[in-house]
Amino acid sequence: GIQVEQSPPDLILQEGANSTLRCNFSDSVNNLQWFHQNPWGQLINLFYIPSGTKQNGRLSATTVATERYSLLYISSSQTTDSGVYFCAVERNTDKLIFGTGTRLQVFP
Amino acid sequence: GAGVSQSPRYKVAKRGQDVALRCDPISGHVSLFWYQQALGQGPEFLTYFQNEAQLDKSGLPSDRFFAERPEGSVSTLKIQRTQQEDSAVYLCASSTIEIQGPSPLHFGNGTRLTVT
Repeated sequence: GIQVEQSPPDLILQEGANSTLRCNFSDSVNNLQWFHQNPWGQLINLFYIPSGTKQNGRLSATTVATERYSLLYISSSQTTDSGVYFCAVERNTDKLIFGTGTRLQVFP
Repeated sequence: GAGVSQSPRYKVAKRGQDVALRCDPISGHVSLFWYQQALGQGPEFLTYFQNEAQLDKSGLPSDRFFAERPEGSVSTLKIQRTQQEDSAVYLCASSTIEIQGPSPLHFGNGTRLTVT
């Protein structure tokens, strides 16, 4: 099956800093989504982005499908950005395969 | 409702007990998924419904796990004779079906199951 690897595994930032999270996947996909899991466990869908670039406020994401990676950019980070960020992909199976996650901690 | 609703929020079961976890998807969402998330790991797929049809149950870890969605809306995940290794957060998610392809997945808050 598809392998999904995320880096870095852990990230510590001071409020106001920018960061880039990376997701590599081992095969072509027709669905890629980024999620944020907050400290209370709620998984929030950030982007549905199988290809191209999207922006939503301080967050943006880019997926280069031909090179099998996606990037999530967080600008001017805030303490509320803390949590775990997951990349999840799907290839014609209707089920998303989640990556290992990047744990982000933002300190004031 | 406004989002995916799961109940109970927490469940403690003694080893060997049966449990039933409920999921109310977003109204009108055709697709419903169950995922299992162990501590410190990403969610892992269990099973998928399209309306009342269970199209994929390849992720169910054993025949003690059973899921149903009889009327194409509410779904129940049942675990029989619970074991300690079943302790995890069980997440339900729903989505629409779009002509152009997959659509964003919306998750509930999950049920944290602890088997003692």
